[in-house]
Amino acid sequence: AQKVTQAQTEISVVEKEDVTLDCVYETRDTTYYLFWYKQPPSGELVFLIRRNSFDEQNEISGRYSWNFQKSTSSFNFTITASQVVDSAVYFCALSGWNTGNQFYFGTGTSLTVIP
Amino acid sequence: DGGITQSPKYLFRKEGQNVTLSCEQNLNHDAMYWYRQDPGQGLRLIYYSQIVNDFQKGDIAEGYSVSREKKESFPLTVTSAQKNPTAFYLCASSTGRTGGGDQPQHFGDGTRLSIL
Repeated sequence: AQKVTQAQTEISVVEKEDVTLDCVYETRDTTYYLFWYKQPPSGELVFLIRRNSFDEQNEISGRYSWNFQKSTSSFNFTITASQVVDSAVYFCALSGWNTGNQFYFGTGTSLTVIP
Repeated sequence: DGGITQSPKYLFRKEGQNVTLSCEQNLNHDAMYWYRQDPGQGLRLIYYSQIVNDFQKGDIAEGYSVSREKKESFPLTVTSAQKNPTAFYLCASSTGRTGGGDQPQHFGDGTRLSIL
């Protein structure tokens, strides 16, 4: 079974604080892919990053960084020096080689950055 | 610009009425998807299509129907059998016709459906 858990429903931080969004996944596939999406108030989901199961290197893109750990089945997302524009709902998603193109989404974490 | 266009942005349905949500993409993607989003429940897959004239049920297909007559278009009909249709509906597309799952899905702006 494929499952993604985002235990943090809502998070509030003050601007310029760092914040980490947690994502834990379950899969029986040996080849799988993990994604993060951002959903601003406008509603469209914006693709942020993809990581495959063979690549455990952490990735940094500006103020965003991602920590993939197969040992704990986690793919956490950190925003450094948060800004008001980071306020959104963030979704973690999983797809597997044997599940075709079907994605499994977590329930999302709503992040509010307070100025 | 390439992208996914959903229309209308807001839609109201009367009791016993079928309504159709439009989704068009000009990304030349083979696969298209429909999701339903309810508060606190994330995205749930309604239907998906990996090729023209073929589609599969997702986790919550009851009360919905789709067609895929053209590569660019994947309309969703919310039928009167769907008793709780009020939700935010998102359409997505991706490359990768035959599995793999490695390509990101790209999303439209969504349609918000409400009951009158």
